[in-house]
Amino acid sequence: NAGVTQTPKFQVLKTGQSMTLQCAQDMNHNSMYWYRQDPGMGLRLIYYSASEGTTDKGEVPNGYNVSRLNKREFSLRLESAAPSQTSVYFCASSVDRAYHEQYFGPGTRLTVT
Amino acid sequence: AQSVTQPDIHITVSEGASLELRCNYSYGATPYLFWYVQSPGQGLQLLLKYFSGDTLVQGIKGFEAEFKRSQSSFNLRKPSVHWSDAAEYFCAVDPTGTASKLTFGTGTRLQVTL
Repeated sequence: NAGVTQTPKFQVLKTGQSMTLQCAQDMNHNSMYWYRQDPGMGLRLIYYSASEGTTDKGEVPNGYNVSRLNKREFSLRLESAAPSQTSVYFCASSVDRAYHEQYFGPGTRLTVT
Repeated sequence: AQSVTQPDIHITVSEGASLELRCNYSYGATPYLFWYVQSPGQGLQLLLKYFSGDTLVQGIKGFEAEFKRSQSSFNLRKPSVHWSDAAEYFCAVDPTGTASKLTFGTGTRLQVTL
């Protein structure tokens, strides 16, 4: 099992460009999450998908969109990147929303210039 | 406002020494409590969790944590630190148990000297 995989590992964008961060899990988990990690801020939840076909906003959703393509895949899209979106992005999954630990991917380091 | 506080940004301990990392939370009721570890360049890994019951919980890699309701704390401990424990440690709380409200502290970076 690969667990949770994320692509790309690194990305540099110019302000205003768009891109999609990909995430896939092979653990048959129902719930998936996108976080961003900034120095001194811990992790903050951007969006989550409790189950296939549903998505909900987290703490910091502005400037992002998500798609739960199927049970395995959950993508995060930046339509018009801004320097404030420079961060490390983590995808995670869990069996379901309640009580279960989240398994994290290795992260995508995004720089917006 | 609900919050999670890890008062120590950076801690240095000698290999073989004991370790305690502090975590305090501010919620109306007892939330679900977690400790995660992040090694350099890696994602987060769950060390242990507390939902209810025995207030001393055991985790992986020899870590344990104690929930103290009166102090709103969930401190992480290890009796003897190994060099491989050098990492960043995050306390997280979830007041609802649904993971949609999982809130992370700002982290404590642990350095281990030989």
